[in-house]
Amino acid sequence: NAGVTQTPKFQVLKTGQSMTLQCAQDMNHEYMSWYRQDPGMGLRLIHYSVGAGITDQGEVPNGYNVSRSTTEDFPLRLLSAAPSQTSVYFCASNLGAGTGTSNTEAFFGQGTRLTVV
Amino acid sequence: GENVEQHPSTLSVQEGDSAVIKCTYSDSASNYFPWYKQELGKRPQLIIDIRSNVGEKKDQRIAVTLNKTAKHFSLHITETQPEDSAVYFCAAGNSGNTPLVFGKGTRLSVIA
Repeated sequence: NAGVTQTPKFQVLKTGQSMTLQCAQDMNHEYMSWYRQDPGMGLRLIHYSVGAGITDQGEVPNGYNVSRSTTEDFPLRLLSAAPSQTSVYFCASNLGAGTGTSNTEAFFGQGTRLTVV
Repeated sequence: GENVEQHPSTLSVQEGDSAVIKCTYSDSASNYFPWYKQELGKRPQLIIDIRSNVGEKKDQRIAVTLNKTAKHFSLHITETQPEDSAVYFCAAGNSGNTPLVFGKGTRLSVIA
């Protein structure tokens, strides 16, 4: 079991470039999320998914797109990178219990440190 | 939606002393309250969690208490050690179709 795998670990982009952050989990978890972490701001939710084919916006979705074509993968796309998107990005997954999506342990990937210049 | 407030934002204690971090939540439907520890440059990892049908839970030097009426929960670390130095996050979840909401974190420093 690899758990939650994110790639790349580090990335530098120029303003206006686009890129995709990859996230894959091998635990057969239904629920996956993307967070960004900025100093003093905690973990802010960007987008989340409760299953293949279903996605929804979190607290800070602007400038990001997601898709969930399989249970395992949940890529995050930056459409046109801006310096304000410089951050550490974490993907997380959890199994859920019953009908709940957030009532079990969340497992995090190792993070992607993104710098936009 | 749910809002989780966490205090303090930074905390320094002497090695061997206790540390307490407090969180409040706003949504009475929240029923799952995990605590995550994030060491420098690492990913957040679960250290303890509590469900709304329990008032207190302990795991060695770590304990969490929950007051549903007041909508607050706390993390207690006793006999702190330098390796406890990290950022700690509280969170709230529920049995509905919504994701975890995190507090802004507490940076704990244990001074030897």
